[in-house]
Amino acid sequence: QKEVEQDPGPLSVPEGAIVSLNCTYSNSAFQYFMWYRQYSRKGPELLMYTYSSGNKEDGRFTAQVDKSSKYISLFIRDSQPSDSATYLCAMKNGQNFVFGPGTRLSVLP
Amino acid sequence: DTEVTQTPKHLVMGMTNKKSLKCEQHMGHRAMYWYKQKAKKPPELMFVYSYEKLSINESVPSRFSPECPNSSLLNLHLHALQPEDSALYLCASSQDSAFPEQFFGPGTRLTVL
Repeated sequence: QKEVEQDPGPLSVPEGAIVSLNCTYSNSAFQYFMWYRQYSRKGPELLMYTYSSGNKEDGRFTAQVDKSSKYISLFIRDSQPSDSATYLCAMKNGQNFVFGPGTRLSVLP
Repeated sequence: DTEVTQTPKHLVMGMTNKKSLKCEQHMGHRAMYWYKQKAKKPPELMFVYSYEKLSINESVPSRFSPECPNSSLLNLHLHALQPEDSALYLCASSQDSAFPEQFFGPGTRLTVL
């Protein structure tokens, strides 16, 4: 079993849709949970990070963590064509930093 | 300044060449990282420098040699690479290695012929 698994996609949605991106993990020692967005041929850009179970909102983005189920989600409201990118979850404990495989999202105008 | 810069943007090298990748940040961060990313795969951690000391080497072949001359600079020296080493090489930094927020540079796209 991989340490971090992510819904593989690719995912295509119409503009304005709500998008749900999900990751599961096996290592209960992970303390921090991050979401990165990566445009083609660019470096990853940190969107949000959370520490505890629960929800964290930032504009159109909501990150959700359920440590008991070892499951994290990123919701994007009112999705825009500019949100088209690969979304990577990432998890950290100590100096161990692991990315999920990524989900490629296309938002169609 | 919240930017991590990397040079060069693109690099093509032969298997007998020696080249270096450079990374710079001016955010006062004390941890810097090298990642390797193959197409359609997530970044894979190669090295972590914390307070200018190498703290993690993820069993990377010796043909990759990192160097941290000071707290703002990180180099990756390349020698006798193989075609399978062709990838996007990403540099990142964070306040220190305990902090979760890593800021990534745009990467150097390396092609080994």
